Amino acid sequence: GQQVMQIPQYQHVQEGEDFTTYCNSSTTLSNIQWYKQRPGGHPVFLIQLVKSGEVKKQKRLTFQFGEAKKNSSLHITATQTTDVGTYFCAGPGRGSTLGRLYFGRGTQLTVWP
Amino acid sequence: NAGVTQTPKFQVLKTGQSMTLQCAQDMNHEYMSWYRQDPGMGLRLIHYSVGAGITDQGEVPNGYNVSRSTTEDFPLRLLSAAPSQTSVYFCASRQQDYGYTFGSGTRLTVV
Repeated sequence: GQQVMQIPQYQHVQEGEDFTTYCNSSTTLSNIQWYKQRPGGHPVFLIQLVKSGEVKKQKRLTFQFGEAKKNSSLHITATQTTDVGTYFCAGPGRGSTLGRLYFGRGTQLTVWP
Repeated sequence: NAGVTQTPKFQVLKTGQSMTLQCAQDMNHEYMSWYRQDPGMGLRLIHYSVGAGITDQGEVPNGYNVSRSTTEDFPLRLLSAAPSQTSVYFCASRQQDYGYTFGSGTRLTVV
């Protein structure tokens, strides 16, 4: 079945260092979504990418969607302690599973001051 | 708008008991889903719905039932609680091709 894989599972950085998490899908995606979950909280939608090769920025966060629409990345420049949390990517199903959203297992980011 | 409202926020059940986790959204979203989250396991889909009267199984449906009689409500029923169902449960809703809005979660412990 369709799968979304995400690496790394954990990342520990010092404040000010950069961070990147990678997402790969077993199938071509119509779009890819990114979420952030703070410790003890619920996932919060960050952004959706739709076009092949699309790049979007939100302040220090840069999101990319691969040319083949099967992979994506989230890069954070100069991490801050407020970036702590787990970042998930997710892609929709196709055909009979169109209503599903397939989540990666997430990358847990720890930032120490 | 309240968004997605889940109740209760915390619950302790004894093995074998049944209960219903409530989920309501006021955004007129077509799609709703239930996920469970366990340490290191990410978000695992239990059941989902693409509209009133339509539900389907996710990857971990055993021991859970759902129904979608209205667009707004999507309750999750635990038939006979087991310790393996101790988890954090999230309800979420979205429109097609948009991101999910998640509820704040229900922390369930089965003893």
